[in-house]
Amino acid sequence: EAGVTQFPSHSVIEKGQTVTLRCDPISGHDNLYWYRRVMGKEIKFLLHFVKESKQDESGMPNNRFLAERTGGTYSTLKVQPAELEDSGVYFCASSQTSGSSTDTQYFGPGTRLTVL
Amino acid sequence: RKEVEQDPGPFNVPEGATVAFNCTYSNSASQSFFWYRQDCRKEPKLLMSVYSSGNEDGRFTAQLNRASQYISLLIRDSKLSDSATYLCVVTGSGYALNFGKGTSLLVTP
Repeated sequence: EAGVTQFPSHSVIEKGQTVTLRCDPISGHDNLYWYRRVMGKEIKFLLHFVKESKQDESGMPNNRFLAERTGGTYSTLKVQPAELEDSGVYFCASSQTSGSSTDTQYFGPGTRLTVL
Repeated sequence: RKEVEQDPGPFNVPEGATVAFNCTYSNSASQSFFWYRQDCRKEPKLLMSVYSSGNEDGRFTAQLNRASQYISLLIRDSKLSDSATYLCVVTGSGYALNFGKGTSLLVTP
């Protein structure tokens, strides 16, 4: 079974540009999460989808970040306009449908974003 | 105060050694507890869940002390392949995972 996949693996953009990250969860997983690790810091939660609905977006840093999950399958995370402090590794994770906080979250390989 | 605190290490141990990592968390309402492992430039992967009764998986033993808000991981008979960063992870009231910064382990021949 395929794991969580993310695209692109790396992205280098200039400040002010727009970048869109994509995540494909494990097939059948209704729960999809975005996390971010900036240099020298711990991995931080951004938001949680259940199917196409945003269940918790308390970790989104500001309105330059927009996450979508149309159709409840893959998700995109758009940063517009990108700032230097947005550089980091963006991880996506998914978990099965049982809806418990004990469900294992399976992480994708991450997208390494560099904003110059 | 950070939600999850860990000693960053690095811990350098010889093969066959026993090593212990500790972690404290600040939210007494935390529901679920995990240890994740992260290899260099890779994604975090679940190592084991942690229960109040303690649990063991081969060479790995995890313990949770809710009263002290303290979590531990013990690795016995360390292997070279155990070299990685070990992340202490706690959930709050929702499903979001709160990560510590990780403890780096290097097992040497």
